Amino acid sequence: GAVVSQHPSRVICKSGTSVKIECRSLDFQATTMFWYRQFPKQSLMLMATSNEGSKATYEQGVEKDKFLINHASLTLSTLTVTSAHPEDSSFYICSAREGQLNTEAFFGQGTRLTVV
Amino acid sequence: GESVGLHLPTLSVQEGDNSIINCAYSNSASDYFIWYKQESGKGPQFIIDIRSNMDKRQGQRVTVLLNKTVKHLSLQIAATQPGDSAVYFCAENSGGGSYIPTFGRGTSLIVHP
Repeated sequence: GAVVSQHPSRVICKSGTSVKIECRSLDFQATTMFWYRQFPKQSLMLMATSNEGSKATYEQGVEKDKFLINHASLTLSTLTVTSAHPEDSSFYICSAREGQLNTEAFFGQGTRLTVV
Repeated sequence: GESVGLHLPTLSVQEGDNSIINCAYSNSASDYFIWYKQESGKGPQFIIDIRSNMDKRQGQRVTVLLNKTVKHLSLQIAATQPGDSAVYFCAENSGGGSYIPTFGRGTSLIVHP
C-alpha cells in the first residue's frame, strides 16, 4: 500500500512553545489529508481535513488558531500546535488520500507529543 | 470473553480460536466501511473494506460482514494469532460522496498463546 510518513514520531516540548508535525505522502499525491488526535485507550478523533492549496476545515470544538494546518503541496501537510499546554499532550495521527470518492486513506505512524 | 465499560472494550481469546469483533455505526447514509488494526504506539493499518452494496467480503483470514438494517459491522479473524493482538477500529464514510474516515469506539483484542 501507499506510504505516509509522519515526523517526528515523538516530541517533548515546554509549555508555551510551538511544535510542528509533518505528514508526507511518499509515493502518491495526497489531494486530501486528515489530522486526528487520540488520547490513551480512546478512538481517533478527527481534528481537521485539508485539501491541497486551500484552507483546512476544522471539526467543531477544534481551535483553528491553536492547531494550524498547512497543506501547501500535494505531498506535505503540517500541523503546528501553538502555545502548547500540558493538556495538548496526545497522540497525533495524519492520514492522506489520493482522489475524492470513496478511496482508502493511508495513515502515518503517529506523533507522540508531550508538553511539560 | 468480551467486556464493555468505560474503557475500551476488550476481547480475550486463545491462540487458534476465531475472533469476532463488532461495531455499530451511526450514519445510515454511510456507504463505505473500513476495518483498521492499531498496534500500540502506531498509526492505524488497513485490514479490509466493504461497500454498502455488499453484505460480506473475505480477505486473508479475515471476513467483514455488513448488516445495513441494524447498522452493524463485524470483523471475523480466523485462527487468531498472538500477532493479531491490537486495537481494532471500524471507520465509516461520513462525508457523503467524499470519504472522510470517522472512527468507531474500538475493541482491544488480546490473544493468549
